[in-house]
Amino acid sequence: DTEVTQTPKHLVMGMTNKKSLKCEQHMGHRAMYWYKQKAKKPPELMFVYSYEKLSINESVPSRFSPECPNSSLLNLHLHALQPEDSALYLCASSQDLGSSYNSPLHFGNGTRLTVT
Amino acid sequence: DAKTTQPPSMDCAEGRAANLPCNHSTISGNEYVYWYRQIHSQGPQYIIHGLKNNETNEMASLIITEDRKSSTLILPHATLRDTAVYYCIVRALNFGNEKLTFGTGTRLTIIP
Repeated sequence: DTEVTQTPKHLVMGMTNKKSLKCEQHMGHRAMYWYKQKAKKPPELMFVYSYEKLSINESVPSRFSPECPNSSLLNLHLHALQPEDSALYLCASSQDLGSSYNSPLHFGNGTRLTVT
Repeated sequence: DAKTTQPPSMDCAEGRAANLPCNHSTISGNEYVYWYRQIHSQGPQYIIHGLKNNETNEMASLIITEDRKSSTLILPHATLRDTAVYYCIVRALNFGNEKLTFGTGTRLTIIP
């Protein structure tokens, strides 16, 4: 079991749909991350939030819109996606950024997204 | 972040020690070595990390060479549940550069 919870586990959406992926953690972590993983490839970083502010955006297309409403929640809003955006979307959290205490990332089990 | 090189795949007999190597010859002084694994259909799981000293926890041991250019993850008594992709990652921890960047990893198969 993981301490980072992602919902839904599976999502199928059309190219004109709007949907959201949700991530929640209750470990008191102040940094949260979105990764994207294509089949048989390693995870790729998309966004990093630190203390509810966007810290890193890895040049992700605007059809992906992250939101961090509070320190426990992270959303990824999806709009006008393409079939090639089909992937496993992983959320992670860590204690904070830039700390001398090196804090591992804790991952959820992901949302498997299929765009039709 | 420094890049890492790992063998694409390895087999290990159940009950034996699994030794997974990683080369990180361009590692900087402020970069840690992290190991994660990913079991099929799950998110990556943190295993262990270290800077220059050897480290051990309930899951594994991490041996880092004195020059820090390579490391070995040791699973002391491998079980079938250890079958996974293992990622060796070097990660800087200065503010603004905390990315965890995954390489291609080693697919470890534990043989009954």
